[in-house]
Amino acid sequence: NAGVTQTPKFRILKIGQSMTLQCTQDMNHNYMYWYRQDPGMGLKLIYYSVGAGITDKGEVPNGYNVSRSTTEDFPLRLELAAPSQTSVYFCASSYWPGVYEQYFGPGTRLTVT
Amino acid sequence: KNEVEQSPQNLTAQEGEFITINCSYSVGISALHWLQQHPGGGIVSLFMLSSGKKKHGRLIATINIQEKHSSLHITASHPRDSAVYICAVQYGGATNKLIFGTGTLLAVQP
Repeated sequence: NAGVTQTPKFRILKIGQSMTLQCTQDMNHNYMYWYRQDPGMGLKLIYYSVGAGITDKGEVPNGYNVSRSTTEDFPLRLELAAPSQTSVYFCASSYWPGVYEQYFGPGTRLTVT
Repeated sequence: KNEVEQSPQNLTAQEGEFITINCSYSVGISALHWLQQHPGGGIVSLFMLSSGKKKHGRLIATINIQEKHSSLHITASHPRDSAVYICAVQYGGATNKLIFGTGTLLAVQP
């Protein structure tokens, strides 16, 4: 199993551009998450999904959108990129119901200039 | 005040030393996670525990539910243990989300 994969690994965007961060998991997990990690801060939840067709906002959803058309894929869309979105983005997945560990992707380092 | 507090924020140790990283949280939880992140690297789950103690190799994690406190211990530390160690709490329920501490940066010097 590849686990959780993310693309791209690095990206530089200009202010106002848009992009999609890709996330795929092959563990048949129903829950998927997008987090951002800023220096000196704990990871913050952007959006999560409990299954195909169902998504919901996390703590910091502004400026982002998601979709979940399949169990495997959970892309994160940035519209009108802003410098405040410079961060490292992690996708994760887990089983539910119950308490299970979350499996993280390798991360995408995004810089908006 | 953060929901999850870790201490220390930074820790430098000599190879072979016994290391303890602490995590405190403010409300009842379903589980507590310890995660490891190497510089520039991804995040790996080390432990998930809801009571007692777990051991994996040189790593030991304990939790005291009454005191809302957990510790991660590393015995016989090695330079390859140098990483950021992150504590996260899980409340369960429909969201199943994690609330993360800010991490402890550990440097083990040879």
